[in-house]
Amino acid sequence: EAQVTQNPRYLITVTGKKLTVTCSQNMNHEYMSWYRQDPGLGLRQIYYSMNVEVTDKGDVPEGYKVSRKEKRNFPLILESPSPNQTSLYFCASSDRDYYEQYFGPGTRLTVT
Amino acid sequence: GQQVMQIPQYQHVQEGEDFTTYCNSSTTLSNIQWYKQRPGGHPVFLIQLVKSGEVKKQKRLTFQFGEAKKNSSLHITATQTTDVGTYFCVFGAGNNRKLIWGLGTSLAVNP
Repeated sequence: EAQVTQNPRYLITVTGKKLTVTCSQNMNHEYMSWYRQDPGLGLRQIYYSMNVEVTDKGDVPEGYKVSRKEKRNFPLILESPSPNQTSLYFCASSDRDYYEQYFGPGTRLTVT
Repeated sequence: GQQVMQIPQYQHVQEGEDFTTYCNSSTTLSNIQWYKQRPGGHPVFLIQLVKSGEVKKQKRLTFQFGEAKKNSSLHITATQTTDVGTYFCVFGAGNNRKLIWGLGTSLAVNP
C-alpha cells in the first residue's frame, strides 16, 4: 500500500531535549516536505527536499533541521525544542515539486 | 512574501445547500491545487488547475481557475455530511518548489 508514515504520532517532551520525528514513504517520490499546522495559521512549510542530499528552507525553518540521506526517509530534527514548537506536524511526499502530495498521519508534539 | 487570501474562513450550511470557497492572489499564479482535510485527519489532494479559465468537475465539486490566474474557487453542490472538513488552496512559489497554503475554509454541514 502506498503510504507516508510518521513516528511518533504523539510526543510530549521538555524544553531543550533533542528529538527526531521520522518520515518514510514507499512511493519512490523525489519531493518530500515538512509542515506544521497551527490553529488560525493553516499549514506552513518548514523544509522541503527535491531529492537525496538536496534540501531547502520553507517559510518557517527556524529551530528545525532536516536531512535526506535516502530517498525514502526525511527526518525532522529539533535540536533544542521550545514551547513555541508545540504543533501538529505533517510530512508529505510527491513525485515532483508541484505534483499531488501524499501526507502522513501527523505527529502531535507538545513541548513543555 | 507571496500570499493567497482564502474566504470565507468558516461556513455553516444545511445539508443540501450549496457551498463555495474562494482563493484570491495579488500575483499571477502558475497553477493551484486544492486539498481537503477532515477533522482529525491529514490533507488529501483533490485537484490541480493549470490553465487560465480552467473548470474541472468531480461529482458534486466544481473547481475553477480565473482567467487572469489570480483567483480560484471550489463549489460544492447539494452538500452532504461527508463534505465536512477544511478546504485549502495551495500554490507554488519559487519555481513551484516552495508551497504556500491558504488558511483554509472550514465547512460544517447540519444534517
